Amino acid sequence: SAVISQKPSRDICQRGTSLTIQCQVDSQVTMMFWYRQQPGQSLTLIATANQGSEATYESGFVIDKFPISRPNLTFSTLTVSNMSPEDSSIYLCSVVLETYEQYFGPGTRLTVT
Amino acid sequence: GQNIDQPTEMTATEGAIVQINCTYQTSGFNGLFWYQQHAGEAPTFLSYNVLDGLEEKGRFSSFLSRSKGYSYLLLKELQMKDSASYLCAVLTTDSWGKFQFGAGTQVVVTP
Repeated sequence: SAVISQKPSRDICQRGTSLTIQCQVDSQVTMMFWYRQQPGQSLTLIATANQGSEATYESGFVIDKFPISRPNLTFSTLTVSNMSPEDSSIYLCSVVLETYEQYFGPGTRLTVT
Repeated sequence: GQNIDQPTEMTATEGAIVQINCTYQTSGFNGLFWYQQHAGEAPTFLSYNVLDGLEEKGRFSSFLSRSKGYSYLLLKELQMKDSASYLCAVLTTDSWGKFQFGAGTQVVVTP
């Protein structure tokens, strides 16, 4: 299994500012992902966080808006840049083990005013 | 296109059985996974199927038919704590570890 922590757990931010979310895993894991979940909806994959190279973004998500760092196999950050109210959501990081089991962090609840 | 469908909400009585269906059409298939998500919490892994048939894990069972693009999650002996959203997710072949999630089924257990 894997235990994941995220910081901050929640934040209220002003339009036009940026927020960086941190994700820490208790073991080295190759596959790490960032998701967004809007209230009452399912999870949407933002990107795959690749260690040592640029993240791989899904359709509709771009690096300028959601820059991601992955300096090692236990840590990643997601920045939500130039925020607007539409970015209000829960952001979750996850890891997938070689057994295909997927574990999620507790999420960061972001509100943009 | 890619599509994963599951009912929006189901209500059942404590002690009863509920079956949550999931149909999928995705670009490639490496397995179907079920997650439980309580309100305000992260999803937790419940069960998965790679091959056709039934997988049983205690009170929870999951079934898969790849030819029909169909799966179900069976929850037996329902308890109040089973009230949660249940997410169906397909592990695609797009790239390793990439999942596509359904919208989730909200299960409400009543006394």
